Amino acid sequence: AQKVTQAQTEISVVEKEDVTLDCVYETRDTTYYLFWYKQPPSGELVFLIRRNSFDEQNEISGRYSWNFQKSTSSFNFTITASQVVDSAVYFCALSEADQAGTALIFGKGTTLSVSS
Amino acid sequence: DTAVSQTPKYLVTQMGNDKSIKCEQNLGHDTMYWYKQDSKKFLKIMFSYNNKELIINETVPNRFSPKSPDKAHLNLHINSLELGDSAVYFCASSHRILSYGYTFGSGTRLTVV
Repeated sequence: AQKVTQAQTEISVVEKEDVTLDCVYETRDTTYYLFWYKQPPSGELVFLIRRNSFDEQNEISGRYSWNFQKSTSSFNFTITASQVVDSAVYFCALSEADQAGTALIFGKGTTLSVSS
Repeated sequence: DTAVSQTPKYLVTQMGNDKSIKCEQNLGHDTMYWYKQDSKKFLKIMFSYNNKELIINETVPNRFSPKSPDKAHLNLHINSLELGDSAVYFCASSHRILSYGYTFGSGTRLTVV
């Protein structure tokens, strides 16, 4: 069975601190896809990144970076020099098959609060 | 131009009523979805359609019925609304190849009183 665990329910940091959001997944498939989404207070779901199971290269996009480690089934997300605008709920998600209609299985989310 | 649009954004209704939420996407995607986000922010899939064909029908009460008149639209009709149906409902769409991720609508906050 597939499962995504985000053990950190809430994290509070002060602006300019670095913060890492953890994501651990379970799947029996050898091919799968991992995602991160951001849900700001306005409520929309914003796509951040997709990672294939066969591509373990880490990725950096501005202040955001992602660390994918198959050995520990983790796909962690780090925000460097956090800003107040980073305050949001962040969701990690997993898809086991690359075909039409496949569900994204979401973790329960981590609420990040960045104070000035 | 909104890629995935849902209407209405807010819906307040009484128990027992029937209501519909509309969803349209202009991305040319083949696949559309309905997700429910509960009060604890947990997101769970309800339905997915590919080219108007039902692919996923999770264990939801049969009071919920999706309807896809064409591949750009996926509406959600709910009969005999109950208090527990209060949630945010998200529509989403994707290419047939899911690896590009979903594009979500802005959500419909349903409150049943």
